[in-house]
Amino acid sequence: NAGVTQTPKFQVLKTGQSMTLQCAQDMNHNSMYWYRQDPGMGLRLIYYSASEGTTDKGEVPNGYNVSRLNKREFSLRLESAAPSQTSVYFCASSFTDRTHGYTFGSGTRLTVV
Amino acid sequence: GQQLNQSPQSMFIQEGEDVSMNCTSSSIFNTWLWYKQDPGEGPVLLIALYKAGELTSNGRLTAQFGITRKDSFLNISASIPSDVGIYFCAGPTSGSARQLTFGSGTQLTVLP
Repeated sequence: NAGVTQTPKFQVLKTGQSMTLQCAQDMNHNSMYWYRQDPGMGLRLIYYSASEGTTDKGEVPNGYNVSRLNKREFSLRLESAAPSQTSVYFCASSFTDRTHGYTFGSGTRLTVV
Repeated sequence: GQQLNQSPQSMFIQEGEDVSMNCTSSSIFNTWLWYKQDPGEGPVLLIALYKAGELTSNGRLTAQFGITRKDSFLNISASIPSDVGIYFCAGPTSGSARQLTFGSGTQLTVLP
């Protein structure tokens, strides 16, 4: 019963460095999402993938890229990290009918110095 | 864009007390979802509501889908220390077939 698995759990980057956050789900969900969570701002959608082979921008996509590698995996890449990207990042997945809610991973806490 | 307004933003209560929080929207929702986020973890779905006026319970938690379809309420009875966390409401994003819009959350602290 792994659900949604995110790696790494913690990461510190220097400004300008790049990194990829990994996410995998084993629930046969069609859709996957990347959110960032900042104090007082709730959850903001960065990118999502409605199905394998498609990706779309969310509310705050600037500075990020994504890849839906296959049905299970959806990665988030920071090409040139900035301090403003210091945040907690959550991956989530759902069936096509999102009214039954998302399943979230446990998050990646990223600090950019 | 669509916004969900949650209140209060934070609450400090004594163990054993009941808690009420709500979520309002400027637009109509057909589904309301309530999530809880434990410290250091991702949000977990608590209750889903699909019909105006619906009242649904999950243990000590009870949620209601407002009659106007623009609001929802979550109540926690007889709070315990493990109720600590952030509670989010969410609903389907207007104009999107896939996305959910989340409220900004209510931070709950339970004092012994």
